[in-house]
Amino acid sequence: QQQVKQSPQSLIVQKGGISIINCAYENTAFDYFPWYQQFPGKGPALLIAIRPDVSEKKEGRFTISFNKSAKQFSLHIMDSQPGDSATYFCAASTDIYSGAGSYQLTFGKGTKLSVIP
Amino acid sequence: DVKVTQSSRYLVKRTGEKVFLECVQDMDHENMFWYRQDPGLGLRLIYFSYDVKMKEKGDIPEGYSVSREKKERFSLILESASTNQTSMYLCASSSLEAGGTNEQFFGPGTRLTVL
Repeated sequence: QQQVKQSPQSLIVQKGGISIINCAYENTAFDYFPWYQQFPGKGPALLIAIRPDVSEKKEGRFTISFNKSAKQFSLHIMDSQPGDSATYFCAASTDIYSGAGSYQLTFGKGTKLSVIP
Repeated sequence: DVKVTQSSRYLVKRTGEKVFLECVQDMDHENMFWYRQDPGLGLRLIYFSYDVKMKEKGDIPEGYSVSREKKERFSLILESASTNQTSMYLCASSSLEAGGTNEQFFGPGTRLTVL
C-alpha cells in the first residue's frame, strides 16, 4: 500500500514561533504534494501544494519545502498564530493524467497543531 | 465556490440498521470520494467514483457500499451498521481539469454513532 508518513502527531507552539510538520513518502511516482488544513467541526481544505519540479513554495506565512532525493516534504508555518490551531494533513498523488486511480490522494495521519498565546 | 453538502451533521443509529449517508456537490465534478476519519488514523478512503454508476474500492470498503446514480450525488450505505463503524464520515469531490491541481473539496462531515 502506498503510504505517506507524517510526524509529529501533535505539536504545541508558542505564538510567533515556527511550526514544522514533516512527511515522507515511498512511491516515486507521486508528483503532487498538497497540505490540507482542518478546523474543528469542518472538513479539510487545501492550504498549499507543490509539484516536485521546485524545492520550495511559499504562500504568506506557509511554506512547503520539498526534498525529492530524500522523498520528504515539510510544512513550515512562520509567525504561528492561535488561529492556525488546526489539524494538518499532508497528502500525495500521481499526476492527474498518469492513468487510472491517479486522482486519489494518499493522506498522512495528521498533525494536531496548538498555538498557545 | 465549490460546495459539498452532506445530509446530516450528526446521526445516531442502532446496530444492525441500514444507514444512508448522502453527499451532493454543485460544481459538476467527475470524481467523488467517501472517507472516514478516526483519531490517530487520519483519513481513510472507503470508496470513490470517477463517473456516474462507476465505483472503485478504497482502502477500507468492507461493510460499506456506494451508489452514484447522478453526477452530483454520491451515497454511502452501511448495510448493517456495527459499533466499529462509529466515526466521522467525510465526502469530497474533485475535477479532472487540464493542468489541474487534483484538489479535493470536502463537505463538513457526518458524525455517525452506532449504539
